[in-house]
Amino acid sequence: DTAVSQTPKYLVTQMGNDKSIKCEQNLGHDTMYWYKQDSKKFLKIMFSYNNKELIINETVPNRFSPKSPDKAHLNLHINSLELGDSAVYFCASSQVPLAGAGNEQFFGPGTRLTVL
Amino acid sequence: AQSVTQPDIHITVSEGASLELRCNYSYGATPYLFWYVQSPGQGLQLLLKYFSGDTLVQGIKGFEAEFKRSQSSFNLRKPSVHWSDAAEYFCAVASNAGKSTFGDGTTLTVKP
Repeated sequence: DTAVSQTPKYLVTQMGNDKSIKCEQNLGHDTMYWYKQDSKKFLKIMFSYNNKELIINETVPNRFSPKSPDKAHLNLHINSLELGDSAVYFCASSQVPLAGAGNEQFFGPGTRLTVL
Repeated sequence: AQSVTQPDIHITVSEGASLELRCNYSYGATPYLFWYVQSPGQGLQLLLKYFSGDTLVQGIKGFEAEFKRSQSSFNLRKPSVHWSDAAEYFCAVASNAGKSTFGDGTTLTVKP
């Protein structure tokens, strides 16, 4: 069984369109994340949710709106897509970090978004 | 603010040779440190982690890493590299608040 799954795996769309990427984890984790990996493979955190509440929001354009209907799902909706949004988007999950325990993250396979 | 530096963008080693990937971090408190590996077209997989205790940690696939507080380093090592180790390697530091910061990655190429 896949621990962290994302759909779709590939997404090709035109500039200006609105699209969504879905993420689900079956690990029982409380915290979920969205990362963006650009063409140089730099990995940057975008958002983090803990029990459906937003806890990390990096400087991401407000065209990006995460939504967490429950703690097992974290979807990413992107409005008015731009060329620069082309990247691989990774979802991840972890347990709530405990003091002295850090937070190992489990990653999904990624969604490759191409904006034409 | 926490940060991670991986000084080597690309490393090439021969199969069977030893490997060391460098990682330097900046964090104000006791760091939680991780190494992840990303195979082509895949997500990231945890290799090993350090929270406290023994500064030499063992991971999967024969990897190990040593935490050196005095040098703010957490270098990854493997005594004998296999062709299947060719991948992108990321070092990360995490805070208690749950935020992880990743280095820019090191691409490992393995020559036959």
